[in-house]
Amino acid sequence: KQEVTQIPAALSVPEGENLVLNCSFTDSAIYNLQWFRQDPGKGLTSLLLIQSSQREQTSGRLNASLDKSSGRSTLYIAASQPGDSATYLCAVWNSGNTPLVFGKGTRLSVIA
Amino acid sequence: GAGVSQTPSNKVTEKGKYVELRCDPISGHTALYWYRQSLGQGPEFLIYFQGTGAADDSGLPNDRFFAVRPEGSVSTLKIQRTERGDSAVYLCASSLLISGANVLTFGAGSRLTVL
Repeated sequence: KQEVTQIPAALSVPEGENLVLNCSFTDSAIYNLQWFRQDPGKGLTSLLLIQSSQREQTSGRLNASLDKSSGRSTLYIAASQPGDSATYLCAVWNSGNTPLVFGKGTRLSVIA
Repeated sequence: GAGVSQTPSNKVTEKGKYVELRCDPISGHTALYWYRQSLGQGPEFLIYFQGTGAADDSGLPNDRFFAVRPEGSVSTLKIQRTERGDSAVYLCASSLLISGANVLTFGAGSRLTVL
């Protein structure tokens, strides 16, 4: 059974700092990996999707990498801003038609 | 619609009552998913539909939970004899196809509180 772990559970950084969020998964037979953002009381917003054949994806100040063989992904946020404060969730789609399996998330606070 | 709409946004009920939660997906999206998110946890898969049929209901915790999508668009998640442990945010998502290449669009969720 696929399990997704995110470290750290919570992170507080000063504005402007670059930071890395970590995600690991137990079964490397994935179809893709996705990073989501969740604001308090809101649904999930998709940030980046990395196909299993890809190594990384970039969107603005966000960069996500994928090392499928080691079961790891990182989300890099450059020049963090208070508006980046949210919970970041990692999810994997196993090969086949299995829906997304989520980690518990990393709660990020960026302090002005 | 422009996004995934879920109603009600908040529902407070008493233990033992019956509850229905509704999801209105993005027009044209054939795949629809239900997840449940407890406080401090990631979303947990419940069931997904491809068209009108439930393609995978392996995440439903027990037979008190049931979901339908009779016309292939709107879906209703039904919970019988609610228990306090059912309290959570129930999230619905839709996508164009049942494929990992498609990005899921989530609704804002329905927060269920069972007293």
